[in-house]
Amino acid sequence: AQTVTQSQPEMSVQEAETVTLSCTYDTSENNYYLFWYKQPPSRQMILVIRQEAYKQQNATENRFSVNFQKAAKSFSLKISDSQLGDTAMYFCAFMNRGNTPLVFGKGTRLSVIA
Amino acid sequence: DTGVSQDPRHKITKRGQNVTFRCDPISEHNRLYWYRQTLGQGPEFLTYFQNEAQLEKSRLLSDRFSAERPKGSFSTLEIQRTEQGDSAMYLCASSHDQGDHQPQHFGDGTRLSIL
Repeated sequence: AQTVTQSQPEMSVQEAETVTLSCTYDTSENNYYLFWYKQPPSRQMILVIRQEAYKQQNATENRFSVNFQKAAKSFSLKISDSQLGDTAMYFCAFMNRGNTPLVFGKGTRLSVIA
Repeated sequence: DTGVSQDPRHKITKRGQNVTFRCDPISEHNRLYWYRQTLGQGPEFLTYFQNEAQLEKSRLLSDRFSAERPKGSFSTLEIQRTEQGDSAMYLCASSHDQGDHQPQHFGDGTRLSIL
């Protein structure tokens, strides 16, 4: 079974600074997909960014980018120019091919400080 | 696209009672997923559907839990004889089934509190 580990329960960053959230996973599959989801306090979980394992190029979405290291099974999220609205729980998630259920990590609580 | 809708937002009930939650997915999405999230944890998979067919159930889904999606649109999750350990946020998500890695869109969740 796949597992996802987020080793940083909490992190904080000053507004406008850059922060990196860590995620490692374990799988025997070769083709799979990785996601970062954001869950603001008392609000809906939303997709931040996704990465296909067969793509070597790291995904980017505006201020959000990933560092995907397939051999190391590592999938970190970098948030540049942090904004107060980035304050949220961030979950790393794994999905096998075929739109199967997501396997989530325990999350990292990020606080952006003014 | 009106998003995934879940009802109710909050449910407080006494131990031993039955509860039922509803999820309305995004209209053109044929995959529907149920997850449970306890405090300080990530969501854990419970079950999912493609149209009206239930494809998989997690070991977390005891015999007291049942889920349906009778017409391939909305889904219900029922918990019978609730226990303290059932207190959690129940999340519903939906996605397309076209392609290999469609993102799942989540609802606001139903927070269940067992007294």
